[in-house]
Amino acid sequence: GIQVEQSPPDLILQEGANSTLRCNFSDSVNNLQWFHQNPWGQLINLFYIPSGTKQNGRLSATTVATERYSLLYISSSQTTDSGVYFCAVDIGTDKLIFGTGTRLQVFP
Amino acid sequence: DAGVTQSPTHLIKTRGQQVTLRCSPKSGHDTVSWYQQALGQGPQFIFQYYEEEERQRGNFPDRFSGHQFPNYSSELNVNALLLGDSALYLCASSLADYGYTFGSGTRLTVV
Repeated sequence: GIQVEQSPPDLILQEGANSTLRCNFSDSVNNLQWFHQNPWGQLINLFYIPSGTKQNGRLSATTVATERYSLLYISSSQTTDSGVYFCAVDIGTDKLIFGTGTRLQVFP
Repeated sequence: DAGVTQSPTHLIKTRGQQVTLRCSPKSGHDTVSWYQQALGQGPQFIFQYYEEEERQRGNFPDRFSGHQFPNYSSELNVNALLLGDSALYLCASSLADYGYTFGSGTRLTVV
């Protein structure tokens, strides 16, 4: 089956720093989403981005479908950005396959 | 616009018991999927319901079953609970190709 790998697995930042999270996938996908899971377990949808670039405030994402990777950029990080970031893909089978996750900790 | 709502938020059950979790999809969404997330891992797909039928199923035993009602809400039932069923259970709703929206989850502890 498709493999979805994220890097880095852990990231520690000071408030105000920028970061880039990467998601590699091993097969063509119909759908790719980035989620932020907060400490209470809620999965918050950040981007629906099967291809191209999108921006939402301090966050932006780029998916290069032909090269099978996606990037999530976080600028001017805040303590509330802490949590686990997942990318998840759908290969047309009506189910999301989640990546390994990146655990982000932002300190003041 | 209400998002995906799940109930209860927390639940403690004894081994061998049965449990029912509930999910109301986001307004306008007609498809409901259930995921299990063990501690420290990513969510794993259990099954998906559309038009009141199970459309897709992951690698979970028959102890896991579900239902979708005409108003698109859904239930997840787990029979003969095992300690290993302890996890966060997430419900997601979707509409066509517009992505998935997740609820806050139900944290199930089996003792």
